[in-house]
Amino acid sequence: EDQVTQSPEALRLQEGESSSLNCSYTVSGLRGLFWYRQDPGKGPEFLFTLYSAGEEKEKERLKATLTKKESFLHITAPKPEDSATYLCAVQAGSTGTASKLTFGTGTRLQVTL
Amino acid sequence: DVKVTQSSRYLVKRTGEKVFLECVQDMDHENMFWYRQDPGLGLRLIYFSYDVKMKEKGDIPEGYSVSREKKERFSLILESASTNQTSMYLCASSFFTEVQTQYFGPGTRLLVL
Repeated sequence: EDQVTQSPEALRLQEGESSSLNCSYTVSGLRGLFWYRQDPGKGPEFLFTLYSAGEEKEKERLKATLTKKESFLHITAPKPEDSATYLCAVQAGSTGTASKLTFGTGTRLQVTL
Repeated sequence: DVKVTQSSRYLVKRTGEKVFLECVQDMDHENMFWYRQDPGLGLRLIYFSYDVKMKEKGDIPEGYSVSREKKERFSLILESASTNQTSMYLCASSFFTEVQTQYFGPGTRLLVL
């Protein structure tokens, strides 16, 4: 069974204090790994898709990396508006029809002044 | 930009009522999904569809049904709402490609009294 574990569950940073969120996965035949941002009471907002180990993607203060066992979301010099829950998901196995994603339970990030 | 819309942001219903949640996407995506999200449990897949009139059960289909009569529209039906169906309901859509990035709607928060 595919599994996705995110750590830490919650993270509190001061503005400008860089850090990383972790997503560890156990899947059979990874097709893609996805990062989403979710604000309270809203739907997840797509951030990145990573396809293979060694790949990196960047968007503003966020950089996502992928290895064969885990992915990191690096946040450089965060601002209060980066406060949100960050979700990781994986797609594995056959793509005969629509593919199910397996989600982690998220890391709740709070950035304070 | 991908746009997924959901018919209501908030709904309050009584136990035993039939509830319809509607989702519309404007990106010509083949795949559509319904999830529920509960604190501590993460996102759980209820049903998904890869084509008009096609549907497949997700991980927690009991108490729900779906309808897809048009490519852009996917409805979730609670035949007889119960209090344990109080939740945040999220719709998503994706292309039918090898790696299927899902895009989410804003969510419907349903309260069943």
